[in-house]
Amino acid sequence: DAKTTQPPSMDCAEGRAANLPCNHSTISGNEYVYWYRQIHSQGPQYIIHGLKNNETNEMASLIITEDRKSSTLILPHATLRDTAVYYCIVRVAGNNAGNMLTFGGGTRLMVKP
Amino acid sequence: EPEVTQTPSHQVTQMGQEVILRCVPISNHLYFYWYRQILGQKVEFLVSFYNNEISEKSEIFDDQFSVERPDGSNFTLKIRSTKLEDSAMYFCASTELAGYNEQFFGPGTRLTVL
Repeated sequence: DAKTTQPPSMDCAEGRAANLPCNHSTISGNEYVYWYRQIHSQGPQYIIHGLKNNETNEMASLIITEDRKSSTLILPHATLRDTAVYYCIVRVAGNNAGNMLTFGGGTRLMVKP
Repeated sequence: EPEVTQTPSHQVTQMGQEVILRCVPISNHLYFYWYRQILGQKVEFLVSFYNNEISEKSEIFDDQFSVERPDGSNFTLKIRSTKLEDSAMYFCASTELAGYNEQFFGPGTRLTVL
């Protein structure tokens, strides 16, 4: 799976959009971008994933650049409960793909009042 | 909403003792996983399990570790002879299908080896 690079920490004001970047310059054509988060030692929680098109769900939006070498997770209106470590993970998807998730250091997002 | 559950939430044991960590995956899920997270470190994959056998395992998952699905609902991780360095949070996860689908994680078991 391709390596990802994320800033170690970010701050965001409550109610504002949180934009979390991820670089994955070695991503290959069959690799998806997944985002998970971990709130204070709880189990990681899936947020969203995508291949090349932008994706949106009830939690967040995922913007993937045209060359797919980077992406941004957007939390449109961050709340204090969004304070967590956010992990960007690139992995091959498909029925014959490996199952494991490889977590890096992630970005520690602090949402401040 | 269905969720993965884990018991106990905290286990304290003496070095050299055997421990069994228990997980109840989401009922229609077919793929099961164990991960661990040593305090202050990354979440690390241990093992994946499908159709009653291990499908992948990491270097961490040595002969001291074993997994089992003893019945239709439980998924267990056994550590035969615990070491101090086994102290960590252990997370169970499950998914309906491998590959595309997100993995659902349990709340974790904090294992403390004294």
